[in-house]
Amino acid sequence: NAGVTQTPKFQVLKTGQSMTLQCAQDMNHEYMSWYRQDPGMGLRLIHYSVGAGITDQGEVPNGYNVSRSTTEDFPLRLLSAAPSQTSVYFCASSYSNPGVGLSQYFGPGTRLTVT
Amino acid sequence: SQQGEEDPQALSIQEGENATMNCSYKTSINNLQWYRQNSGRGLVHLILIRSNEREKHSGRLRVTLDTSKKSSSLLITASRAADTASYFCATTYSGAGSYQLTFGKGTKLSVIP
Repeated sequence: NAGVTQTPKFQVLKTGQSMTLQCAQDMNHEYMSWYRQDPGMGLRLIHYSVGAGITDQGEVPNGYNVSRSTTEDFPLRLLSAAPSQTSVYFCASSYSNPGVGLSQYFGPGTRLTVT
Repeated sequence: SQQGEEDPQALSIQEGENATMNCSYKTSINNLQWYRQNSGRGLVHLILIRSNEREKHSGRLRVTLDTSKKSSSLLITASRAADTASYFCATTYSGAGSYQLTFGKGTKLSVIP
């Protein structure tokens, strides 16, 4: 199993550009989520999905869109990049709701810089 | 939003010593998890302790949970240089829509060979 994969690993955008961060998992996990990590900070939840066709907002959803058309894929779209979105983005997945005690598996991250 | 807070922010020890990190949180939780992050990498799940448990072991890791004090500790015994990493606690709170893991800011552990 490849686990959770993310592409690209690095990206530089200009303010106002849009792009999609890709995330895929091959573990047949229902639950997937996107986090951002800023220097010296823990992870903050952007959006999550509890299954194909179902998404919801996390703590910091503004400026981001998600969709979940398949179990495997959970792309994160930046609509109009801003310098405040410079961060490292992590995708994670788990079998079910982490609230009931299931650990999440994290991808390697995408380092995004917006100039 | 509710967030775990780790203490200390940074910890430097000699190889072979024990490392203790603490986490405090604000509201009632379902469970508390500890994750490790090596520099430039994703997070790796270490251990989970449920709200009705007080202590849990996994290899050289020992986690305690005191719900009355809303705190948890992670003990790494006989530390190794490979334990150098940032350690995060993450909580899921009791309540509707408890899908979210809320992470603290982490403790950066340096183990000196």
